[in-house]
Amino acid sequence: GENVEQHPSTLSVQEGDSAVIKCTYSDSASNYFPWYKQELGKGPQLIIDIRSNVGEKKDQRIAVTLNKTAKHFSLHITETQPEDSAVYFCAASEGGTSYGKLTFGQGTILTVHP
Amino acid sequence: GAGVSQSPRYKVTKRGQDVALRCDPISGHVSLYWYRQALGQGPEFLTYFNYEAQQDKSGLPNDRFSAERPEGSISTLTIQRTEQRDSAMYRCASSLQGGQFFGPGTRLTVL
Repeated sequence: GENVEQHPSTLSVQEGDSAVIKCTYSDSASNYFPWYKQELGKGPQLIIDIRSNVGEKKDQRIAVTLNKTAKHFSLHITETQPEDSAVYFCAASEGGTSYGKLTFGQGTILTVHP
Repeated sequence: GAGVSQSPRYKVTKRGQDVALRCDPISGHVSLYWYRQALGQGPEFLTYFNYEAQQDKSGLPNDRFSAERPEGSISTLTIQRTEQRDSAMYRCASSLQGGQFFGPGTRLTVL
């Protein structure tokens, strides 16, 4: 089955700096890669996703890049703010469909210091 | 409702009891998923439905776990003869076209 590795496990930045979180996956058939933000006591919130026919996607301060050859994808947050502090999870869909089982990474605890 | 809702939010039960966890997806969402999330880890897939059909139950840990979605809307995850190792946050998500939206979860504690 799919295996998703996420790094780093913790990331501390100063407000205004950029943050980058990286994930690798094992199943070359995977074609859908969402990112989730989880705040304390809440469920994961979908913040951005990318499909395998696209190399990069941006939404305001958030961007995701995908390298299918290398089987890795990354989340980039620019101009970080204290409210960006949370746990971030990457995920990959298994079996070549965007409908179905997601395999999640281990999570990255992002702390943005004012 | 506006989002996925789950009930109860907290459930404490004694070992050996059966529990039923409910998920009410976003209106109109075709697909419904169940995950289990341990503290400090990402959600772990259990099972999912398209409409009322269970498409994949490969993540259910053993035959004490079952799920149904009889009318293609609300779903129930049932755990029979609960064990302490079943204690976890159980999360439901729903989707229409790809993006899965999660509910607040049910925190299950088995004493």
